[in-house]
Amino acid sequence: DGGITQSPKYLFRKEGQNVTLSCEQNLNHDAMYWYRQDPGQGLRLIYYSQIVNDFQKGDIAEGYSVSREKKESFPLTVTSAQKNPTAFYLCASSSRGTGNNSPLHFGNGTRLTVT
Amino acid sequence: DQQVKQNSPSLSVQEGRISILNCDYTNSMFDYFLWYKKYPAEGPTFLISISSIKDKNEDGRFTVFLNKSAKHLSLHIVPSQPGDSAVYFCAAGGYGQNFVFGPGTRLSVLP
Repeated sequence: DGGITQSPKYLFRKEGQNVTLSCEQNLNHDAMYWYRQDPGQGLRLIYYSQIVNDFQKGDIAEGYSVSREKKESFPLTVTSAQKNPTAFYLCASSSRGTGNNSPLHFGNGTRLTVT
Repeated sequence: DQQVKQNSPSLSVQEGRISILNCDYTNSMFDYFLWYKKYPAEGPTFLISISSIKDKNEDGRFTVFLNKSAKHLSLHIVPSQPGDSAVYFCAAGGYGQNFVFGPGTRLSVLP
């Protein structure tokens, strides 16, 4: 059964600590994305990758980092430089990359709480 | 500056009636539009899409209408069911552009 797996579902961290959110897909999709959702706001793009070993900043990349060493995996690190890290983080993938009219498929998200 | 707007934060509809969710966009370069449904603590689920070469796309109870001149699209759900209660996001994209999402509309279908 193909899909996108995000882990963990809930994550708690102390302020000042880096934390890495996992995202794995077995859909054989080329493109992967990280979004952030805050209450009352749409999904905002953090980073995206259209091919292994390549990624680009989205609209709100500051305080985040990513890697794409394997096609299946696109982990997101929330660093201590991110001023408001508490949010719901969503990973997505698509069969074709940016601007190729291919719907995004989402994982079930990770709720990160930083205190 | 919001490129994709959903001006109704919430909508309540009686079961069996039609739900109409609206979405407006400002960027005329957008040419592909998506609707997603999202339950709490879950990821969005893709519902239906429409390309700018069409003005209507239908899939079962879901129909999306696109009015390019008005930069407006709408999602019709007929008949509405209690399981349709969720937050609905529209998203717009185009050549060389990542999808931009609206803030969402919370639909409540009342039994």
